Amino acid sequence: QSVLTQPPSASGTPGQRVTISCSGSSSNIGSNTVNWYQQLPGTAPKLLIYSNNQRPSGVPDRFSGSKSGTSASLAISGLQSEDEADYYCAAWDDSLKGVFGGGTKLTVL
Amino acid sequence: EVQLVESGGGLVKPGGSLRLSCAASGFTFSSYSMNWVRQAPGKGLEWVSSISSSSSYIYYADSVKGRFTISRDNAKNSLYLQMNSLRAEDTAVYYCARPYYYDSSGYAFDIWGQGTMVTVSS
Repeated sequence: QSVLTQPPSASGTPGQRVTISCSGSSSNIGSNTVNWYQQLPGTAPKLLIYSNNQRPSGVPDRFSGSKSGTSASLAISGLQSEDEADYYCAAWDDSLKGVFGGGTKLTVL
Repeated sequence: EVQLVESGGGLVKPGGSLRLSCAASGFTFSSYSMNWVRQAPGKGLEWVSSISSSSSYIYYADSVKGRFTISRDNAKNSLYLQMNSLRAEDTAVYYCARPYYYDSSGYAFDIWGQGTMVTVSS
């Protein structure tokens, strides 16, 4: 049972916009920033969004993040086949321990 | 090139011990705190432990506290995870991860190793 709650799956067709939610509590998302990771099959995770809504260099602007209260969201617009991957939200807890969501498997139909 | 390379994984019996290593290169290792994150087969990511740059601050997930010990050797640019009293539920790929500090209140993991597999089974 993960500390942060994500839907186990999401899907969309090429070109569509999809969103993935992440729910936490006042001790993690509610008081700290949220990061998002993308994990392609058989590879290590890759940082996708940091500090709620910032993209690292090289991440397309099709990816965006937001946070409100104790929840956060990742949005992917102009969905592409290469976006098919697992997506994880993450935050720090007030006890200085890391917490992750259970992951969302995105399927591009 | 900034790189993290884990080693030391393998098959171990329940109750046994294993020591993982993470060799860092391409950056000033002694300036960064470091973390271990694991992923059980077919499951999600789980933060395991973190250690500050000078080893002054150490944190563990409740699931491993008292059994795992994180340490580092800045002279050797290396991070370690000593795992004792291993259980079947510790079976996972273990990644070391370097932080990207974006402000004073938090950081993300921008550099990950390739991972090393630990299997706990009789």
